[in-house]
Amino acid sequence: GQNIDQPTEMTATEGAIVQINCTYQTSGFNGLFWYQQHAGEAPTFLSYNVLDGLEEKGRFSSFLSRSKGYSYLLLKELQMKDSASYLCAVRANDYKLSFGAGTTVTVRA
Amino acid sequence: EPEVTQTPSHQVTQMGQEVILRCVPISNHLYFYWYRQILGQKVEFLVSFYNNEISEKSEIFDDQFSVERPDGSNFTLKIRSTKLEDSAMYFCASSAGTSGNNEQFFGPGTRLTVL
Repeated sequence: GQNIDQPTEMTATEGAIVQINCTYQTSGFNGLFWYQQHAGEAPTFLSYNVLDGLEEKGRFSSFLSRSKGYSYLLLKELQMKDSASYLCAVRANDYKLSFGAGTTVTVRA
Repeated sequence: EPEVTQTPSHQVTQMGQEVILRCVPISNHLYFYWYRQILGQKVEFLVSFYNNEISEKSEIFDDQFSVERPDGSNFTLKIRSTKLEDSAMYFCASSAGTSGNNEQFFGPGTRLTVL
């Protein structure tokens, strides 16, 4: 089975940095994805990791440690529009993504 | 920028009725997926489709569900006899490949309400 854990909620101030952790135990591993989902909307792709280390993409960075079954998404210079749910998803085989329950980030002025 | 489209955006139906949810994947993509998200819960995989056949399906995707690619552009999900617990947002997704950084692109979703 697949087990993907991430915190339920986080709150941060505009301009700050927030780190969202994700731990996973899956029957296979073929990449980890982070998606952003605003309420009532579709998930949109943020980042992808398959090798250990940090991937940086503008204000967003994602880190992976395969041996620890651990990833984090780092959001820098938070803006009000970053208030959303952030979904950690593991591609265990070729076809499907298994999602965590999502972390709701609230950015306060 | 190419995108996945879905129709309708909202479907209300009576329990026991059949519904068909429609999706137009990104035109050069070869892999197609359906996911669902019950309100307040996580996104759950239903089925993947490649080369005109199902590649993988979850335990949720029972005999009441079917998928079809009736022509070169549409990808449909049919629920034969809807139940109250089928009420959810249904997302279609597509990808160019299944390895590397070939992310799945999600459509805007169809909100299905079963009364």
